[in-house]
Amino acid sequence: SQTIHQWPATLVQPVGSPLSLECTVEGTSNPNLYWYRQAAGRGLQLLFYSVGIGQISSEVPQNLSASRPQDWQFILSSKKLLLSDSGFYLCAWRWQGSGNTIYFGEGSWLTVV
Amino acid sequence: QQQVKQSPQSLIVQKGGISIINCAYENTAFDYFPWYQQFPGKGPALLIAIRPDVSEKKEGRFTISFNKSAKQFSLHIMDSQPGDSATYFCAASKGNAGNMLTFGGGTRLMVKP
Repeated sequence: SQTIHQWPATLVQPVGSPLSLECTVEGTSNPNLYWYRQAAGRGLQLLFYSVGIGQISSEVPQNLSASRPQDWQFILSSKKLLLSDSGFYLCAWRWQGSGNTIYFGEGSWLTVV
Repeated sequence: QQQVKQSPQSLIVQKGGISIINCAYENTAFDYFPWYQQFPGKGPALLIAIRPDVSEKKEGRFTISFNKSAKQFSLHIMDSQPGDSATYFCAASKGNAGNMLTFGGGTRLMVKP
């Protein structure tokens, strides 16, 4: 079966510190992978998507970056966090066979203090 | 540019009542319209989806109504229950262009017992 894992679940980081959120998927190959951000009580903002290893498309300019070192691994990073980076970060994916549907992970709560 | 507009932002319904959430889209190339349900602290989960070749799709107490000419679609929750209290997102995508989903802004539903 296809599963998605995302960690850490909760993170409190000081302003100016680095960030690394990891997402891994299993059960299929060559999936599309996505990073979304959701500010408290707000909608879903697409940050990055990837259609393959090393292929990253950015939707919103910011101090975040994404990488896909393995087919099953998607990482969201920042060198220096800002207060405005606080939010709920969601990894999502679509695989051949899931049709047009994308499926979300459980999310990571980031609070920048 | 917001391509999918969702209303209302929040909704309070009595137990047993009908919850109705509406979405309007602009891009006539959209051909897939899913609804996601999100509980606090969790990732959104696919609830029900429709394609424009049908005007209605029903799954249990959840029904999507689709009006292609008006470029509108809506979610109806019949016999609403307190357990339905969540945030609902409509979305739309087109073709196989990475199946990029464009989300509405979300509706926070509260069902009062």
